[in-house]
Amino acid sequence: KQEVTQIPAALSVPEGENLVLNCSFTDSAIYNLQWFRQDPGKGLTSLLLIQSSQREQTSGRLNASLDKSSGRSTLYIAASQPGDSATYLCAVIQSGGGADGLTFGKGTHLIIQP
Amino acid sequence: DGGITQSPKYLFRKEGQNVTLSCEQNLNHDAMYWYRQDPGQGLRLIYYSQIVNDFQKGDIAEGYSVSREKKESFPLTVTSAQKNPTAFYLCASSIMGPRYQPQHFGDGTRLSIL
Repeated sequence: KQEVTQIPAALSVPEGENLVLNCSFTDSAIYNLQWFRQDPGKGLTSLLLIQSSQREQTSGRLNASLDKSSGRSTLYIAASQPGDSATYLCAVIQSGGGADGLTFGKGTHLIIQP
Repeated sequence: DGGITQSPKYLFRKEGQNVTLSCEQNLNHDAMYWYRQDPGQGLRLIYYSQIVNDFQKGDIAEGYSVSREKKESFPLTVTSAQKNPTAFYLCASSIMGPRYQPQHFGDGTRLSIL
């Protein structure tokens, strides 16, 4: 069964720093990997989606990479801002049969200090 | 604006009572999903549906039921058989199944036991 792990569970950094959030998954047979942001008491906002054939995706100050063979993805946030404070979730879609939903990690709770 | 609407935002259930959570989308998406989120945990898939009048169990379907009579609506019923229903419930949708398209999420319903 696919398991997704996110490290660290929590991170607090001063404003302006570049930072990296890590995601690992146990089964490399995935269709895609998606990074989400969740604000307290809210739903999820999709940030980036990487197809299994891709190595990275970029959107503004965010860059996500995927190494499918090693079961790893990173989310790089450049020049962090207090508004980036949120929980960041990584999720994968499994290839093959089974439920066609996302398997999520537990998230990284990020605080950007002004 | 297109999006996913979940209602109510907060819901309370008495012992032995069934309650229904509403999810409506105007994105013209084919696929819809229900996830459950517990504190400090990743989201877990309850049910999903890729077309009208068809739905599949996810990882934790016991104690829940769904219907998909209309493309835009995917209500979730939490039955009395669900012994630990207190959680944050999130509805999502995507185009033609999730494998190549991002999932879009509503703002969630928080269910508590009286």
